[in-house]
Amino acid sequence: SQQGEEDPQALSIQEGENATMNCSYKTSINNLQWYRQNSGRGLVHLILIRSNEREKHSGRLRVTLDTSKKSSSLLITASRAADTASYFCATDGGSNYKLTFGKGTLLTVNP
Amino acid sequence: DTGVSQDPRHKITKRGQNVTFRCDPISEHNRLYWYRQTLGQGPEFLTYFQNEAQLEKSRLLSDRFSAERPKGSFSTLEIQRTEQGDSAMYLCASSLVATARNYNEQFFGPGTRLTVL
Repeated sequence: SQQGEEDPQALSIQEGENATMNCSYKTSINNLQWYRQNSGRGLVHLILIRSNEREKHSGRLRVTLDTSKKSSSLLITASRAADTASYFCATDGGSNYKLTFGKGTLLTVNP
Repeated sequence: DTGVSQDPRHKITKRGQNVTFRCDPISEHNRLYWYRQTLGQGPEFLTYFQNEAQLEKSRLLSDRFSAERPKGSFSTLEIQRTEQGDSAMYLCASSLVATARNYNEQFFGPGTRLTVL
């Protein structure tokens, strides 16, 4: 079963704009990870945020985590056409081995 | 640095045939995972190994599925008597056993797309 739920399911923006995607989950976690997947390809690891962290940055990516609301957000600043992909959040549900993914947000960045 | 590799990238088979996929993890990683992803969904956990030991299997992994990691390096996933419902992307991932530093970051391969006719 899918624990995470990304919102929105699809997002279309213009190049240069910021894109924000949200993720909600159901159980306690050790950490939450965000992945990118280009059409028909494997997943690329973007960033991991631990349960005791509230915000993390990596390049143009900013991730926040609110464990009281069981939610996370991924912000991509100054988007590029190459950012077009599906974005997934994944939680470990405290298991320390398996990841549970949502259905993803399909981001389209128009040039 | 070679990442996780999977072979083949695509497989088309007829219903009832057996198929086998291979995954080569990142060399220093001791954990290896298999996931399945169907169209429009996120990946779903199937099973994982720590070194050569298979420690957890999802209920999604029916008796027709078997995975091995004989020497704690590469892994194979075999599906016997394939069914059309087995059509999916099969993803392999690897990680170092979680420490205070890396918290089980999993790195994925490109996947094997299986089509059962």
